[in-house]
Formats: sequence, structure tokens, C-alpha cells
Amino acid sequence: NAGVTQTPKFQVLKTGQSMTLQCAQDMNHEYMSWYRQDPGMGLRLIHYSVGAGITDQGEVPNGYNVSRSTTEDFPLRLLSAAPSQTSVYFCASKIGDRGYGYTFGSGTRLTVV
Amino acid sequence: AQTVTQSQPEMSVQEAETVTLSCTYDTSESDYYLFWYKQPPSRQMILVIRQEAYKQQNATENRFSVNFQKAAKSFSLKISDSQLGDAAMYFCAYRRRNKLVFGAGTILRVKS
Repeated sequence: NAGVTQTPKFQVLKTGQSMTLQCAQDMNHEYMSWYRQDPGMGLRLIHYSVGAGITDQGEVPNGYNVSRSTTEDFPLRLLSAAPSQTSVYFCASKIGDRGYGYTFGSGTRLTVV
Repeated sequence: AQTVTQSQPEMSVQEAETVTLSCTYDTSESDYYLFWYKQPPSRQMILVIRQEAYKQQNATENRFSVNFQKAAKSFSLKISDSQLGDAAMYFCAYRRRNKLVFGAGTILRVKS
């Protein structure tokens, strides 16, 4: 049982490049989400999914795409990276709507130059 | 929109002493959850304690306890017998349905 696995742990991109941050969980959690962490702002919700085939926007969705084709995987795509997307990205999951605890991945530090 | 405010950017505590981290939130809902998360330098997000809004009793987990004041929309975290391993960033978070909203965080330093 690996929990929530995020890859890569570190990434440097050039402005305009695209990439996908991977997130996988092996706990059969229905709910998965992506957050970004910036200094002085805590963690902010980018996109979330309540099950396979269902996604919705969070607080800061612009510049990011997601899809949920399986229960286990929830990738985050940056189509054209911008310096403003330099941040630490976290994936989190939990069981259902009444589930209490969110399990977080170890994060991806992304730098866009 | 729900907001979470942590008014203390940094706090310091002497080892073995007690420290309280403050958190206030704004919501019109009556059914929600509150959390405190710890983020050490490893960057991992660790759940410290949670509180269901419908429960009047304050949650406790070993040396960690909360003071939940629903009417005042206040949710402070008390750490007793502070240890060097408690040094970290602490985030207060509010959850309603599938939305988890975080405060800006408080850096806790523990002095030996």
C-alpha cells in the first residue's frame, strides 16, 4: 500500500513547454484533488474529481487541465508553462464525501524559467 | 466563499513549554470539518487533528488539542510539552463537502 504517489519530485521547465504531473493512489479513494502551494498563501485547490470520469474546477484552475479515466490516476497537465506556475504541487485523495482524512502525496516542486 | 485566517506568520516556543496557534474561519454553513496539518521541512503534509463542527467536545490527540469555538468561528491548536520535532509549518484548514480551504500557515520554531 503506497498511498498517494506523485512523480516527478522536481522539474524545471522553460516557458511555453508542456508537461504532465502524475498522481496515483492505491487506496480505492473516490475523491482526488490537486493543490498548489505558494509562500504566504497556503495551499489552493486547482482541480478535483469525485470519481472516474468526473472532474471540476477549484479556486485556481486557469492554465491547468485534468482528466480521470481510472479511479487510481489523476494527472495534472500544464499546456503552456508560465513563470507564474512556479510552485509546489500536491495531490491528495480521500474516501467519499464523508471521509475525514485526506492523504497527501509528497509534492512536486516545479520551476518555470 | 469560505476563508481561513491564521494571524500568526511565525511563533516560537521553548522545548517542553506550551504554545497555541490561532485560526479563524468564515462560513455560513453549519456542517463542516476543521483540520490542522503539519508540514515539516520534508514537505510532507501530515494530519495532526480534526474536528467535526457538530461535535461540541474539543478534539485531542496526545499532546495536541484544539479549542473549537463555533459561534466565534475560531479553531486554535494547543501543543503541550513541545518537542524539537514539532518544529514545522502548521496549516489550519476548513472542509465543506469536497472543498478543502487552507490558511496561509504559521511557522513554529522550537528552541532547545
